[in-house]
Amino acid sequence: EVQLLESGGGLVQPGGSLRLSCTVSGFTFSSYAMNWVRQAPGKGLEWVSGISGSGSSTYYADSVKGRFTISRDNSKNTLYLQMNSLRAEDTAVYYCAKDLGLVPAAAHFDYWGQGTLVTVSS
Amino acid sequence: QSVLTQAPSASGTPGQRVTISCSGSSSNIGSNHVYWYQQLPGTAPKLLIYRSNQRPSGVPDRFSGSKSGTSASLAISGLRSEDEADYYCAAWDDSLSGPVFGIGTKVTVL
Repeated sequence: EVQLLESGGGLVQPGGSLRLSCTVSGFTFSSYAMNWVRQAPGKGLEWVSGISGSGSSTYYADSVKGRFTISRDNSKNTLYLQMNSLRAEDTAVYYCAKDLGLVPAAAHFDYWGQGTLVTVSS
Repeated sequence: QSVLTQAPSASGTPGQRVTISCSGSSSNIGSNHVYWYQQLPGTAPKLLIYRSNQRPSGVPDRFSGSKSGTSASLAISGLRSEDEADYYCAAWDDSLSGPVFGIGTKVTVL
């Protein structure tokens, strides 16, 4: 059974940092690209970042480029999102989502975690 | 403002057919497959339709997708109370080099 479990969310002050983790099981982690998708309270879905199966290629939405860093440890079946210079508008539930292929190339997210809430507020 | 345009709400009575539209451009829907996600209240999104008209295993055939040009649609036939949810369309955008979502359509079963 495929499972994705996010952790690391919480309350952080504007300008602060936070690192999210997503631990997966039930599939060969290194064979698939992974993504982070967020949802602000009462709002729609927004793709944040993606990473290839090997970790050699990374992709970012313009809204987080230069502030967020996606990475993965295939030996630990874990995906990460390092978030720096956080802003109030980054407040959202962050979901990790498994991609269909080895490299992000479609909006095909076949499995999702339950999400972790990040709140940026003073 | 989302790259893909969806009506914010739709409704129907049990047993009716409801159609949700998603409009994009040549850089996204016009040149790539469309995906649909269902998000039940308080839960994570779930893949409902992939490659514009394919259903993952376990998704009832009451749900169907289609695409024409720069628009796509999701149809729910035989509407049930458990279909009450938010539905999002998504597609890869070649100009942005990433996936984009619609704002979501909230389906209410009257």
